[in-house]
Amino acid sequence: QKEVEQNSGPLSVPEGAIASLNCTYSDRGSQSFFWYRQYSGKSPELIMFIYSNGDKEDGRFTAQLNKASQYVSLLIRDSQPSDSATYLCAVRYTGTASKLTFGTGTRLQVTL
Amino acid sequence: DVKVTQSSRYLVKRTGEKVFLECVQDMDHENMFWYRQDPGLGLRLIYFSYDVKMKEKGDIPEGYSVSREKKERFSLILESASTNQTSMYLCATSGGPGTDTQYFGPGTRLTVL
Repeated sequence: QKEVEQNSGPLSVPEGAIASLNCTYSDRGSQSFFWYRQYSGKSPELIMFIYSNGDKEDGRFTAQLNKASQYVSLLIRDSQPSDSATYLCAVRYTGTASKLTFGTGTRLQVTL
Repeated sequence: DVKVTQSSRYLVKRTGEKVFLECVQDMDHENMFWYRQDPGLGLRLIYFSYDVKMKEKGDIPEGYSVSREKKERFSLILESASTNQTSMYLCATSGGPGTDTQYFGPGTRLTVL
């Protein structure tokens, strides 16, 4: 069973702090990794994807991939109350065509 | 921008009714997906389609069928709705090889009474 594991939270951080969200996956051959944000009652929206080991930055967001340890992280710098949402990690496992396996998400709360 | 639309935002049906959920995309994407999302269970794949008239079962296909007669349109059918099919249903699309990113529609919250 190919799984994607996330801590459900809530992860509470003060405004302006760095939020660190983590995700582990079970297949070392996985190739594509995604972070989505989902506000309550809304559908997931893509934040960023990462394919290669290392860091990828986009504005206040940084994705970090470590294939040897099978984890992917999302850092949110200067967290804002509008960042309060559930963050879903998704992985495309080898041999699964275009299908993604999603984690159950981590709920982030940014406090004033 | 990718645009994915779903036929209804909220839907209330009775047990035993046949239910149609429709998804339309305007980006000429090959792949289309139907998920359901329930608290604590995350997103679960029901069916996906990689081309017109082509479909593949996901993790939880029981009680559902799908239809893709045109590239832009992917329908989810509940043949005989049951209360355990009350859920949020999400449609997603993605492009061809090398483009695994999925884009989601707004979702349909279905309640079966």
